Amino acid sequence: DVKVTQSSRYLVKRTGEKVFLECVQDMDHENMFWYRQDPGLGLRLIYFSYDVKMKEKGDIPEGYSVSREKKERFSLILESASTNQTSMYLCASSLDPYNRADTQYFGPGTRLTVL
Amino acid sequence: AQSVAQPEDQVNVAEGNPLTVKCTYSVSGNPYLFWYVQYPNRGLQFLLKYITGDNLVKGSYGFEAEFNKSQTSFHLKKPSALVSDSALYFCAVRRGSGGYQKVTFGTGTKLQVIP
Repeated sequence: DVKVTQSSRYLVKRTGEKVFLECVQDMDHENMFWYRQDPGLGLRLIYFSYDVKMKEKGDIPEGYSVSREKKERFSLILESASTNQTSMYLCASSLDPYNRADTQYFGPGTRLTVL
Repeated sequence: AQSVAQPEDQVNVAEGNPLTVKCTYSVSGNPYLFWYVQYPNRGLQFLLKYITGDNLVKGSYGFEAEFNKSQTSFHLKKPSALVSDSALYFCAVRRGSGGYQKVTFGTGTKLQVIP
């Protein structure tokens, strides 16, 4: 089974702090994604990566950056956390970026609270 | 642009009764359609997908979904609901042609199965 792990289940940070959310997948998947999940808004794509050191903006990249130095690891960075970034963050991976039928495998999520 | 609508924020159904969770989509060309489920405090899990062929797709845990091209719908169904089916359900769409396309998720429908 594919396993996607996220470094923290719950995180509390203060406004202005730099925040790192880490995600690791163990199935040699090419694609990795970061979403945020908010009630009534569903999942919104922040960034995705289809290869090491490659990244593409999603729908809501403002205030976020990402890093993918190794194939299995995809990090989401909040350079200066703000209260409106309080949310559930979900990492996902999928095997083949060119297969439109590809399914995504999700981590358990990190619930971030910014005070 | 592609989009997904889940018109019901919440669906309540009695245990043992059939359930339907509605989804309509908008996409140019042929759609690839997905259903994911999120149990409390968990990440999303893949349930089923439609790519082409038979309009009735069967998936995990006894769920199925019917693709209706004329109504641009992909409703999720189960003949007999279980209390353990209570969860948040997400419909998603991806364009089936053209360049790389991300997956667009709906806002989610909370299914409550009443004992």
